[in-house]
This record gives sequence, structure tokens and C-alpha cells, in this order.
Amino acid sequence: DGGITQSPKYLFRKEGQNVTLSCEQNLNHDAMYWYRQDPGQGLRLIYYSQIVNDFQKGDIAEGYSVSREKKESFPLTVTSAQKNPTAFYLCASSIVTTDTQYFGPGTRLTVL
Amino acid sequence: AQTVTQSQPEMSVQEAETVTLSCTYDTSESDYYLFWYKQPPSRQMILVIRQEAYKQQNATENRFSVNFQKAAKSFSLKISDSQLGDAAMYFCAYRSAIRTEKLTFGTGTRLTIIP
Repeated sequence: DGGITQSPKYLFRKEGQNVTLSCEQNLNHDAMYWYRQDPGQGLRLIYYSQIVNDFQKGDIAEGYSVSREKKESFPLTVTSAQKNPTAFYLCASSIVTTDTQYFGPGTRLTVL
Repeated sequence: AQTVTQSQPEMSVQEAETVTLSCTYDTSESDYYLFWYKQPPSRQMILVIRQEAYKQQNATENRFSVNFQKAAKSFSLKISDSQLGDAAMYFCAYRSAIRTEKLTFGTGTRLTIIP
């Protein structure tokens, strides 16, 4: 089945640690995105990538990093510099940025 | 900057009835796209319906339809014959035709279906 997978579903991190969230898609989409969702708020764009080996900052990129070495993979690292990382993280992809975005199931990150 | 406002934090509807969720947006652009996404308890965002601003005809997908009023910058979602599986958070989203990578979301409306 074609789709977007995210792992793990739940992730716990101690303060001061970096963690990496996985996002994989087999839809052959060129564009991929990371969003953050906090309670009572809509989604906010962290990073996006339009093509392999290229990515751009979104509205809230501070404390996060990404890579795009393969078309199907767009991992997100939450670094210790992110002051309030506890949130729900959603990955999305689209054929190109002008096309509709489709979302993965999300990862819930909790900092202990 | 564009903003999207959903003024109804919560709505409820009797099963089989019709409900309308409201969304307004602010933009100075003339060409853009609007979306409704559904987020059920599983929390995966699912596309419900999409509307292109240059199209006057309102989009429809089975029991879901929109009322797009461009001059009023209003984009409401109507759900007909509500079903228990429609219970979810519903998010309205805006995407510019210029800055195409960014979806701007509203804060969502929680829809409860009463059996």
C-alpha cells in the first residue's frame, strides 16, 4: 500500500538529548514537510523539502534539523536547543509543493 | 501574513442531521487554495475537500460540501447525513498560489456526533 509512515508513534526524551523522528513515503512524492501541533493550535511548519538534498526552514525551525538524502525519507532531529519540544509531530508529502499535501500518522514526543 | 480563523471550538450534531463548520481567512492575494482536513482520534490528518479560489463553483465530495464566499473570505464546510465516523477535529487551511509550500491552519473545531 502506498502511504506515509512515521516512527516511532510515541517517543520520550530526557532534557538535553537529541532525538530523531522518522518519516518515509512510497508515493514517489518530491516534496516533504514537517509540522508541529500543540494543544488548541493548528499545525505549524518546521521544515520542508522540494527535492532531494535541498530543504528550507519553515516558520518555527529553531532547535530542529532535517536531512533529505533519499527521495522517500525526510527525518527530523529535535535538538537540545529546542526549548519546548513536547508536541505532536506530523510529516506530510506532496507530488510537488503546488499539489495537495497528505499526512502521516504522527509522532508524539514527550520530554521528561 | 495570512491568517485562518475558526470561531467554533466545538460543535455537536445529531446523527443523520446536517452541520456547518465555519472558517474565515485573511489574505491580500487573489489566487490561493483552501482545504478542510479531518483529524480523528487516531490524529492522522485526512483531506476532506479542496477548493481553488479561481473556481466559482463550490467543491463537493459525497456528503461534504463547501460554501466558498471569496468576497467575504469565508469557507464553511457542510456535512450532510452526519455519521458517527465523522466525529473528529476539523481544520481549515489556506495555501497561497505563490508561497505554495506553506499551509496555514486554523485552530480547529471539535465535532461530536450524538447517536
